[in-house]
Amino acid sequence: GAGVSQTPSNKVTEKGKYVELRCDPISGHTALYWYRQSLGQGPEFLIYFQGTGAADDSGLPNDRFFAVRPEGSVSTLKIQRTERGDSAVYLCASSFGASNTGELFFGEGSRLTVL
Amino acid sequence: AQRVTQPEKLLSVFKGAPVELKCNYSYSGSPELFWYVQYSRQRLQLLLRHISRESIKGFTADLNKGETSFHLKKPFAQEEDSAMYYCALSRGGSEKLVFGKGTKLTVNP
Repeated sequence: GAGVSQTPSNKVTEKGKYVELRCDPISGHTALYWYRQSLGQGPEFLIYFQGTGAADDSGLPNDRFFAVRPEGSVSTLKIQRTERGDSAVYLCASSFGASNTGELFFGEGSRLTVL
Repeated sequence: AQRVTQPEKLLSVFKGAPVELKCNYSYSGSPELFWYVQYSRQRLQLLLRHISRESIKGFTADLNKGETSFHLKKPFAQEEDSAMYYCALSRGGSEKLVFGKGTKLTVNP
């Protein structure tokens, strides 16, 4: 069984462009999380899905960021009108259930660079 | 709001020496605390959680509610312990983990 898979591993784009980052969680994991990690910082929570629905999107910084998980498995993080400040590593994680009792399994991340 | 503070950005010790990575948190309720580790070129992974009261790879961490701390300790550091360590907190019943900024541990031969 493969772990959490994220694509692309690296993405370079220009300011103002649209970007999609994909996460394929571990099979059978119902919970999926997106985090953002800027240089020198710890992972910062963005959004959490339980099944198909976003249970907590309080970490999304503004309305340029959106995430979906239409079939309760693969998730896509979408960033519109990218800005230089969006440059970071975007981490996806999945788990069987509640992160406060279970274990989060992280992907290798998608490194986004906005020029 | 919850906050996790790891005061040391870098920590360097010699092999065989004791090591302690500090973690302090702020949260008024009953938190769940975790330590995550990222070895070079590997994914972030769970090291241990306070609720399990376990020792993993010789590491232990005790939740001290009075001092709001969850320091990670190992009596004899090994070179393979060199990694980035993150302390994390979640509210009881919440799915969101709040991470500290991390401490880079280097164990010298």
